[in-house]
Amino acid sequence: QVQLQESGPGLVKPSQTLSLTCTVSGDSISRGVFYWSWFRQPAGKGLEWIGRIHTDGDTNKNSSLMRRVTISLDTSKSQFSLELSFVTAADTAVYYCARTLPNSYYYMDVWGNGTSVTVSS
Amino acid sequence: EVVLTQSPATLSLSPGERATLSCRASQSVSNFLAWYQHRPGQAPRLLVYDASKRATGIPDRFSGSGSGTDFTLTISALEPEDFAVYYCQHRNNWPPGYTFGHGTKLEIK
Repeated sequence: QVQLQESGPGLVKPSQTLSLTCTVSGDSISRGVFYWSWFRQPAGKGLEWIGRIHTDGDTNKNSSLMRRVTISLDTSKSQFSLELSFVTAADTAVYYCARTLPNSYYYMDVWGNGTSVTVSS
Repeated sequence: EVVLTQSPATLSLSPGERATLSCRASQSVSNFLAWYQHRPGQAPRLLVYDASKRATGIPDRFSGSGSGTDFTLTISALEPEDFAVYYCQHRNNWPPGYTFGHGTKLEIK
């Protein structure tokens, strides 16, 4: 059974770069055809999609975050990563990684438990 | 981009009662709509996709219906573990990505 686990610093200073990693276990990240996504949820608010990377390396990003987001895939470590640059307090949130359903890019059936990130000096 | 509006924002019911949650799309999304359950501190859980297909392992008390712009998630008889926040979600064709509603909080009355 595939499992996802987010990791990264819980505190980031304003204007710095937030870096998170999602480790995939239970199966190879390069097996099958999926999109691997990042989401976030600020306290008291709903879920926001940040961006995604396909098994073949193609990426798509939320237009509101596009200039600050980098998503990459490391198949040798079975991980994919998020970098969000020039962070502000508005980027404080719980960040989740997720995978799409097999044979469908429309919905996410496997999620990590989330990691809390606070942007503060 | 499609906007999803969920109602009500909060629903107060007792265990054993029937819950009906609504999601309305700003334009037709055909049947490309999913529902997720999100408990505090846990991963979101896919319940229903393509408007009415139950995801693997989801109890049959959860059912989805609708097409076009109006969708419903029904929980036939609430169990204590069903009290959570529920989100509807659609995938955007262009620009590509995923959109969520703001959620319905299902709380114990």
